[in-house]
Amino acid sequence: NAGVMQNPRHLVRRRGQEARLRCSPMKGHSHVYWYRQLPEEGLKFMVYLQKENIIDESGMPKERFSAEFPKEGPSILRIQQVVRGDSAAYFCASSPRTGDGGTEAFFGQGTRLTVV
Amino acid sequence: RKEVEQDPGPFNVPEGATVAFNCTYSNSASQSFFWYRQDCRKEPKLLMSVYSSGNEDGRFTAQLNRASQYISLLIRDSKLSDSATYLCVVNMKATDSWGKFQFGAGTQVVVTP
Repeated sequence: NAGVMQNPRHLVRRRGQEARLRCSPMKGHSHVYWYRQLPEEGLKFMVYLQKENIIDESGMPKERFSAEFPKEGPSILRIQQVVRGDSAAYFCASSPRTGDGGTEAFFGQGTRLTVV
Repeated sequence: RKEVEQDPGPFNVPEGATVAFNCTYSNSASQSFFWYRQDCRKEPKLLMSVYSSGNEDGRFTAQLNRASQYISLLIRDSKLSDSATYLCVVNMKATDSWGKFQFGAGTQVVVTP
């Protein structure tokens, strides 16, 4: 059973370009979470999605950032018109979550975004 | 006030010694608790879940104190490989779905020879 797969592992973008980060959850997991980790800081929650639904996007910046988790295919975190401050590690996690919940989240290896 | 707070450390621990640290959470509705470890800014990996009655996994012991809203992690007989950042994670159930996993900023542990 493959783990959470993120790609690309490293992404370099010039200021003003778009960045697309992909996350394929573990098999059987229908819940996906995106986190951002700036240098020397902790993990900051961005968004929580289920298939075709955004459950909680309270951590998403109001502009330029969007996320989706379509019925088919990976979850996508999109950053438009990137700025240097977007440089960070972006981690995706997935969870199986059932009705009684309580299960842990499993993380992908992250995408290191560098904006030059 | 942050939802999950941890002492950032570092905790410098001689090899073989015991180290313990806490994490406080602000939301009394929190229902799931975990300790993760993160090495050199790689992906966080689950260390252990934390149960109400407390639980032990080898050299690691986790406790939950709901009344005071904190969880703790104790590491006995520290190994050099225990050097890492330990992340406290809490989660609460929303009305009809599970909420986000909320991470603390992490406690750095450095085990020295």
